[in-house]
Amino acid sequence: DQQVKQNSPSLSVQEGRISILNCDYTNSMFDYFLWYKKYPAEGPTFLISISSIKDKNEDGRFTVFLNKSAKHLSLHIVPSQPGDSAVYFCAASGRGKTSYDKVIFGPGTSLSVIP
Amino acid sequence: DVKVTQSSRYLVKRTGEKVFLECVQDMDHENMFWYRQDPGLGLRLIYFSYDVKMKEKGDIPEGYSVSREKKERFSLILESASTNQTSMYLCASISGGAGTYEQYFGPGTRLTVT
Repeated sequence: DQQVKQNSPSLSVQEGRISILNCDYTNSMFDYFLWYKKYPAEGPTFLISISSIKDKNEDGRFTVFLNKSAKHLSLHIVPSQPGDSAVYFCAASGRGKTSYDKVIFGPGTSLSVIP
Repeated sequence: DVKVTQSSRYLVKRTGEKVFLECVQDMDHENMFWYRQDPGLGLRLIYFSYDVKMKEKGDIPEGYSVSREKKERFSLILESASTNQTSMYLCASISGGAGTYEQYFGPGTRLTVT
């Protein structure tokens, strides 16, 4: 049973518009959430994160929103650019022996930004 | 810039072969990880290591072993490769300081077992 879900395997957005990628989790013990971006033939790279004590974190064109009561987070990209076309992984971390050994990744959403 | 390198980008091996995947990081990170990525399943943790000669099982350790003899190097071993181990293998590292969560990934090794 997946603890981190990304129910949309793919998403297409017009250049300049907003991209919204969604992520749901089931384990209320998760206290830190991350988004990674992955281009083909490359490893994932860290994009943005949010602690469970916050409900929003912004970094340039990227904003992550966290709704703890709904166990839902979303990544907003505004405006979307063709270079944003990639697979986006949502990840959640809880308290294991260390702060990071329980990072659980979602299945990913493939974003295509159409020029 | 943190750099995580993996010994091969593509590998093709036969069923039953012993396979070594090597990972090296250059940032003196204490913690290293091996994941496999499969379509629709995301990244699943195979093993991780928080110190030299230390290792812990992840979620899917069956059929794999690891070795960490030096801080910068973490090896994944498939003792007897099987076709269900065909996958993308990703190595990652993290500094290990309190409150650190961001992992740095290598480019991946696409392994095909025939």
